[in-house]
Amino acid sequence: DGGITQSPKYLFRKEGQNVTLSCEQNLNHDAMYWYRQDPGQGLRLIYYSQIVNDFQKGDIAEGYSVSREKKESFPLTVTSAQKNPTAFYLCASWGESYNEQFFGPGTRLTVL
Amino acid sequence: GQNIDQPTEMTATEGAIVQINCTYQTSGFNGLFWYQQHAGEAPTFLSYNVLDGLEEKGRFSSFLSRSKGYSYLLLKELQMKDSASYLCGRSNDYKLSFGAGTTVTVRA
Repeated sequence: DGGITQSPKYLFRKEGQNVTLSCEQNLNHDAMYWYRQDPGQGLRLIYYSQIVNDFQKGDIAEGYSVSREKKESFPLTVTSAQKNPTAFYLCASWGESYNEQFFGPGTRLTVL
Repeated sequence: GQNIDQPTEMTATEGAIVQINCTYQTSGFNGLFWYQQHAGEAPTFLSYNVLDGLEEKGRFSSFLSRSKGYSYLLLKELQMKDSASYLCGRSNDYKLSFGAGTTVTVRA
C-alpha cells in the first residue's frame, strides 16, 4: 500500500535536546512538507521540499532543520533553539497534479 | 499567513445540514482545499476546487467563488461520525496554507 509513514507516534524528550522526526513516503511524490499543529489551531508550515537536495523555509522555520537526501525521506530535526517544541507534527506529500496533499499519521512530541 | 478565516465552532443535529464558510486572500491563489480531521488524527482530504461553482461528492459539497475569495463546505444528512474539525486550505506557489479549522459537533 502506498502512503506516508511517520515514526514514532509519540515521542518524549528532555528540554535542551535535539530530536529528529522521521517521514517516509512510497508515493513517488517530489514535494514533501512538514507542518506543526497546536491545540485548537490549524496547520502551520515549517519547511517544504519540492525536489531532492532542495528545501525552503515555511512560515515558522526558526528552531527547526530538515534534509532531503532521498526522494522518499524528509526528516525534521527539532533543535534546542525551538522555544515551544511540544506539538503535533504532520508530514505530507504532494503529487504532480497538486490536487490532493497526502498526510502521514503524525508524531506527537512532548518536551519535558 | 494567507488570511484564511473560518468560524471556530458549529453545532448541528443529526440528519441536518451545516455550511462552513471560508474566506481567503485572493492574490496568488491557485486552489481551495477542504480536509476533515478527527481529534488526534491526520487530516483526510475532502475536496479541491479550482474553478468557480459547486462540486458535489456524496453527502459533502464544496463551493468556490474566486472573485470573492469565498468558499463553503456543505455537509448534508449529518451523522455522528461527522463530528470533527474541518480545515480550509488555500494553495499558491506549491504551498498549502490552512485556516484554524472549524469544529463541528453533531448532536443526537
